[in-house]
Order: sequence, then C-alpha cells, then structure tokens
Amino acid sequence: GAVVSQHPSWVICKSGTSVKIECRSLDFQATTMFWYRQFPKQSLMLMATSNEGSKATYEQGVEKDKFLINHASLTLSTLTVTSAHPEDSSFYICSAKLTLSNQPQHFGDGTRLSIL
Amino acid sequence: QKEVEQNSGPLSVPEGAIASLNCTYSDRGSQSFFWYRQYSGKSPELIMFIYSNGDKEDGRFTAQLNKASQYVSLLIRDSQPSDSATYLCAVNGFQKLVFGTGTRLLVSP
Repeated sequence: GAVVSQHPSWVICKSGTSVKIECRSLDFQATTMFWYRQFPKQSLMLMATSNEGSKATYEQGVEKDKFLINHASLTLSTLTVTSAHPEDSSFYICSAKLTLSNQPQHFGDGTRLSIL
Repeated sequence: QKEVEQNSGPLSVPEGAIASLNCTYSDRGSQSFFWYRQYSGKSPELIMFIYSNGDKEDGRFTAQLNKASQYVSLLIRDSQPSDSATYLCAVNGFQKLVFGTGTRLLVSP
C-alpha cells in the first residue's frame, strides 16, 4: 500500500525556535499533501492543503506566516513552525493522496512537537 | 449540524462480538467514504473505503453505505482487544476530507 514517511517523529525545543517537519510519499507521487494538527483527546484539525508547485491553501484561523509550507516536489512537503511557542505544542500529522480525487489519504506517523 | 457525525462512545463490546460503528454525513453530493483507525498517540490508519451503495467486505471488516439515508457504517466481526481504538469516519468534501470526531471502541477480553 501507499507509504508516507514523516520526520522527525519527536521534537523538543526551546520557545522561539523554528522547527521543520518533512513529509515524503515513498512509493507514489502525491500532487496534494495535507497537514493536520491534533491536540490531546481532540479530533484531527486540517491546517492546510499543500499543492506541488503552488502556494498552500490554509484553513481559516491558521496563520500562514507562522506555519510555512513548501511542496517543491511530487514526493516531499515540509511544514515549518516558525518562532514556536508552548501553545504550538501538538501532534502534527501529514497525509498524501494520489491524484484522483476519490482516492484515500494515507497518513504519516506524525510528529510530536513539545515547546518548552 | 456537523458535516460528519459520529457517536463519541465509548462503545464497549466483549471479545468475539460484532462491533457496529455508525456515521452520518450532511453533504448529499459526497462520493467517497473512508474509515480510519487511530490508536492512542498514533496517526490514523486507513481501514476501509467505499464508493458505492451496499456492502464492502475485507477480512473481519465490512463497510456499509446508504447514500439515500446519508449513512455509513463499519462492522467489525470477531472483535479482538487489539481492535480497541478510535475509529474515524471521513467523507470526501471539496478537495479535502471531512472527519467525524471519532468513536472510541473498547473490546474487553
């Protein structure tokens, strides 16, 4: 099946640091990748849709200058949390899907971000 | 009204029983429906997807879709303690998936 790799799996850093998370589709080309955030005991919250070669589409309430997304190739999207603060601590998960609109999304293993 | 609704549970079933998880959706134009399993602290894992009315079976899992009633369900036969997790129903919206809040399933030995 489709494999999505996400790295790193765990990050602990000081407040004010910028953190980059990578999402790779290993065995298929993903024109669209998605970034989610999940707080404890809550459901997934879509942050943005990342389209290869174009600007990401952010959901309402998500600051595009704080959460920088780059999707430079068909197999790699990155999310950079800039100047992270404790309230940004969360579980960040990426997903990727094949081009056809009705195909399922396949999720990476997630990145647990802890800002001290 | 939420776009995708699920009972949060927990749904408790004994080992070996059939677990029935239900989901309703509001967009009548939805075409693709997915069930994901999420263990605590882990990311979602695709279990089943269904596009047409009726049943779709894969091992112990059966997805059921009724577009007229805007209803999707997931049946888990011979439930095992390892099936204990949160099950997320997702429906294809415009260029993105719309998730329900999930149903927590507890399978007791």
